[in-house]
Amino acid sequence: NAGVTQTPKFQVLKTGQSMTLQCAQDMNHNSMYWYRQDPGMGLRLIYYSASEGTTDKGEVPNGYNVSRLNKREFSLRLESAAPSQTSVYFCASSHLTGANQPQHFGDGTRLSIL
Amino acid sequence: AQSVAQPEDQVNVAEGNPLTVKCTYSVSGNPYLFWYVQYPNRGLQFLLKYITGDNLVKGSYGFEAEFNKSQTSFHLKKPSALVSDSALYFCAVRDRPPSGNTGKLIFGQGTTLQVKP
Repeated sequence: NAGVTQTPKFQVLKTGQSMTLQCAQDMNHNSMYWYRQDPGMGLRLIYYSASEGTTDKGEVPNGYNVSRLNKREFSLRLESAAPSQTSVYFCASSHLTGANQPQHFGDGTRLSIL
Repeated sequence: AQSVAQPEDQVNVAEGNPLTVKCTYSVSGNPYLFWYVQYPNRGLQFLLKYITGDNLVKGSYGFEAEFNKSQTSFHLKKPSALVSDSALYFCAVRDRPPSGNTGKLIFGQGTTLQVKP
């Protein structure tokens, strides 16, 4: 029962370093999402992929890039990390058809940028 | 634009008492509404959803939510709280932009539920 798996779980970076956050799901879901969670602000969508081969910007895409490697995997890249990107990052997935389907979340990556 | 609000940062309740976590929404058209729960150092877990039909929706762990169209609310309820219910709760509404269905969710800011023994 893996569901949505995120790696790494924790990471500390220096300002200006780059990093890729990995996400994989084993539920054969079409859609995948990247969120960031900051205190008092709920979850904000960074990027999403409605289906394999497509990606779109969410609410807060600046400073990030994504790759939908295949149906299972959706990675998030920080090219030049900034302290404002210190956050907890969550990946989620859902079936595309029927947007009333719930999203399934990984356990997050806690990222600190010094 | 679609939005959802959770007016309380924290709700405190004694174990065994009923609990309510409030959520109000603003959408165009019929809303698709969700509740999620987040335990410490974990991702969000789906509790329940309202799509259509009965205004009282039952979900996981004994939770239920009441959809009220006139008040644009979707409050989460449980008749008898447990200490283990202490967690962070998020209300969410499905985004429905003019471009069509994307399946994206818009989340409230979250409400911390503290159940004391």
